[in-house]
Amino acid sequence: DTGVSQDPRHKITKRGQNVTFRCDPISEHNRLYWYRQTLGQGPEFLTYFQNEAQLEKSRLLSDRFSAERPKGSFSTLEIQRTEQGDSAMYLCASSLGTQNTEAFFGQGTRLTVV
Amino acid sequence: AQTVTQSQPEMSVQEAETVTLSCTYDTSENNYYLFWYKQPPSRQMILVIRQEAYKQQNATENRFSVNFQKAAKSFSLKISDSQLGDTAMYFCAFMKQQAGKSTFGDGTTLTVKP
Repeated sequence: DTGVSQDPRHKITKRGQNVTFRCDPISEHNRLYWYRQTLGQGPEFLTYFQNEAQLEKSRLLSDRFSAERPKGSFSTLEIQRTEQGDSAMYLCASSLGTQNTEAFFGQGTRLTVV
Repeated sequence: AQTVTQSQPEMSVQEAETVTLSCTYDTSENNYYLFWYKQPPSRQMILVIRQEAYKQQNATENRFSVNFQKAAKSFSLKISDSQLGDTAMYFCAFMKQQAGKSTFGDGTTLTVKP
């Protein structure tokens, strides 16, 4: 297993367009997390899944954001009608079980909205 | 809500010396976990060390150790015998027990100088 992978690594889009990111977690991990990181700040929680169930979603997440994990494996994060303020690094992480074990992070998708 | 504060945006240390990174947090929880993550330039975040709040003994991982002061809500990271590969951004993070998300500080950029 090569760890958590995210695709694409970089995305430039025009304001108002929709974008979708994909995350493939470590195969046996049942928890999957999405975070957003802007320059000079720490990761900010967006949402997380246990298997296919979305258990928590940040109140900071507007209705333009949606995430899915349809079969409890990979996940997608979609941003509709992108805004310049959406420009950030989007990080995915996964972990095993419910014992607050180590979260393994992907390299992230850097989104630039122009 | 929990908050995590890292008061040192940037630090530097000479190779082979020791450096301590500070972290304070605010919570009303009694059972939780604290983490230090390392994010090298253009690479994914990895876990450095973890501390369970119910454990009085400070966690250690080779050259990395923590000073966990529960009453003071302080969780500092000590790096001994600093190496050039320790150059990275370091994030302190908090997770309450049985929760999914972590709350991160804004990070400390550490530069190890030869």
